[in-house]
Amino acid sequence: DAKTTQPNSMESNEEEPVHLPCNHSTISGTDYIHWYRQLPSQGPEYVIHGLTSNVNNRMASLAIAEDRKSSTLILHRATLRDAAVYYCILRGNSGNTPLVFGKGTRLSVIA
Amino acid sequence: DAGVIQSPRHEVTEMGQEVTLRCKPISGHDYLFWYRQTMMRGLELLIYFNNNVPIDDSGMPEDRFSAKMPNASFSTLKIQPSEPRDSAVYFCASSYGTGGEQYFGPGTRLTVT
Repeated sequence: DAKTTQPNSMESNEEEPVHLPCNHSTISGTDYIHWYRQLPSQGPEYVIHGLTSNVNNRMASLAIAEDRKSSTLILHRATLRDAAVYYCILRGNSGNTPLVFGKGTRLSVIA
Repeated sequence: DAGVIQSPRHEVTEMGQEVTLRCKPISGHDYLFWYRQTMMRGLELLIYFNNNVPIDDSGMPEDRFSAKMPNASFSTLKIQPSEPRDSAVYFCASSYGTGGEQYFGPGTRLTVT
């Protein structure tokens, strides 16, 4: 699987937007960009995914660079409950491949 | 649906004992994954099944580990004999279809003394 690079940690103030970057310069044309997060003492949970176009859902937005070598997960208004480790993962489109987790970004939210 | 159910939530056992972890996937899901999380290695895949058939077990550490899925609603991960280095949080996840998002259970925290 292609590798992703994320900052180890980030900090945000509550109710402010958060932009979590991910670099994936070796992404292939058929790789989807997935984001999962892991809240403290819980299993990972799906956040969002996309291929080429920007995506929005109730949890977050995903902005994908035109060359697809990087992407940004956007939390529009961070809350204390968003404090978690965020993982950026590339997945091929053949079958239901397992997730390959890196170290992710630990997001701290300050009240 | 109650989500992915794992039992037990915590397990403490002595080295050399057999340990069995259990997972009930979400009804209708056709993929089931077992992952392990440690501080040193992070989250890593152990094995996954499609329609109850093991597809890739290359992540299983050694012969002490075995996993089964006798039917679509139940899977077990067994460690025999257990060793202190097996101490970790074990997660089960399930999903449906091609590229489906994975739903994780709450995990089983295993401590081997």
